[in-house]
Amino acid sequence: GAGVSQSPRYKVAKRGQDVALRCDPISGHVSLFWYQQALGQGPEFLTYFQNEAQLDKSGLPSDRFFAERPEGSVSTLKIQRTQQEDSAVYLCASSRTSGGEETQYFGPGTRLLVL
Amino acid sequence: AQTVTQSQPEMSVQEAETVTLSCTYDTSESDYYLFWYKQPPSRQMILVIRQEAYKQQNATENRFSVNFQKAAKSFSLKISDSQLGDAAMYFCAYRSGYYGGSQGNLIFGKGTKLSVKP
Repeated sequence: GAGVSQSPRYKVAKRGQDVALRCDPISGHVSLFWYQQALGQGPEFLTYFQNEAQLDKSGLPSDRFFAERPEGSVSTLKIQRTQQEDSAVYLCASSRTSGGEETQYFGPGTRLLVL
Repeated sequence: AQTVTQSQPEMSVQEAETVTLSCTYDTSESDYYLFWYKQPPSRQMILVIRQEAYKQQNATENRFSVNFQKAAKSFSLKISDSQLGDAAMYFCAYRSGYYGGSQGNLIFGKGTKLSVKP
């Protein structure tokens, strides 16, 4: 596609529910990042994939957060037993390669509200 | 650990005027990249401009330019001839030039909300 897409755009969950957020990166992009953006804050790194390999998950806030990219394209971020503090916008970004000079292209984000 | 600080939560500029957004960062690395991203209310983050730390020349993209002061660890964004469409949140971001560890994720400041008055 022309850009990074994410679905759903909005998600309301009851506390304790599991949610799954999808990211479709730009076709052919090797690197994929997930970020969490709390209200009024800058995005914070969650996890990184190079193709299908999850090379860094140091930013995941708890073991309730799980991400996968099984075929090296689409990625899913799953949050189990959601808590109110999980409410945020979840941004996905992809880049052509893993080089530091590469531009990261962002999706529109998924706004998650946990009630 | 690297940090990025944006000390101006909000800024305002008159249409057609010039505005400068401030950013400072802290790092012990010598190889890195700095970015300014724009996030309009629709929330799609868009790259505005990029600066490689090894380049002394300040980056320029049309009406957008940076003042990169490596010794002072300062990276400000200047927007000339401001337009209504420039209204957005602006984020300064740092990325390590070294492989391994973080694998190149972006470290963001808290952002500056820019308003443009007609």
